[in-house]
Amino acid sequence: DAGVTQSPTHLIKTRGQHVTLRCSPISGHKSVSWYQQVLGQGPQFIFQYYEKEERGRGNFPDRFSARQFPNYSSELNVNALLLGDSALYLCASSLEGGFYEQYFGPGTRLTVT
Amino acid sequence: DAKTTQPTSMDCAEGRAANLPCNHSTISGNEYVYWYRQIHSQGPQYIIHGLKNNETNEMASLIITEDRKSSTLILPHATLRDTAVYYCIVRGAGANSKLTFGKGITLSVRP
Repeated sequence: DAGVTQSPTHLIKTRGQHVTLRCSPISGHKSVSWYQQVLGQGPQFIFQYYEKEERGRGNFPDRFSARQFPNYSSELNVNALLLGDSALYLCASSLEGGFYEQYFGPGTRLTVT
Repeated sequence: DAKTTQPTSMDCAEGRAANLPCNHSTISGNEYVYWYRQIHSQGPQYIIHGLKNNETNEMASLIITEDRKSSTLILPHATLRDTAVYYCIVRGAGANSKLTFGKGITLSVRP
């Protein structure tokens, strides 16, 4: 069975630009969560979506937004990129909403120059 | 959520047991202890969780002290593939209680 998939694998952007990251959850999973992992730190929670509705939000600025589609895939959007947005962006899926048994994807490495 | 304290790093020999400690002295009665690990260039992987009883699965054992202020993750026969960052996380019982990752402990398994 396919696990959580994310695209692209790597991405390089310039300050001020916009970026869209994509995530496909495990088949049958209805919830997707996004995390940011800066080098040397643990993942930090950004958003959770369940059944296409936002169910939780971490302490991130409004430049970060996300949405979930009818097929339960999700996009994370970041506007007006800053150097500090350089990080590994992880997507995790779970069967239902909440944080039980989350399965993480391999992440998208974003570099902002 | 209560915070956890882990050593920065440790190592062990291949084939030996790896015992990874975690302190969570402010844990409350309905909070669980979760362990995840993150192998280089991969996303975190769930290992095990427990409330107050010791737990065992195919990957590891979790030993929680009687006062629940600390716990130990045991990998009974460490292999080179167990080299990773291991995160000890305390989270509440509710489904909406978030996973709050710290810096974790880097386990290096040597040949």
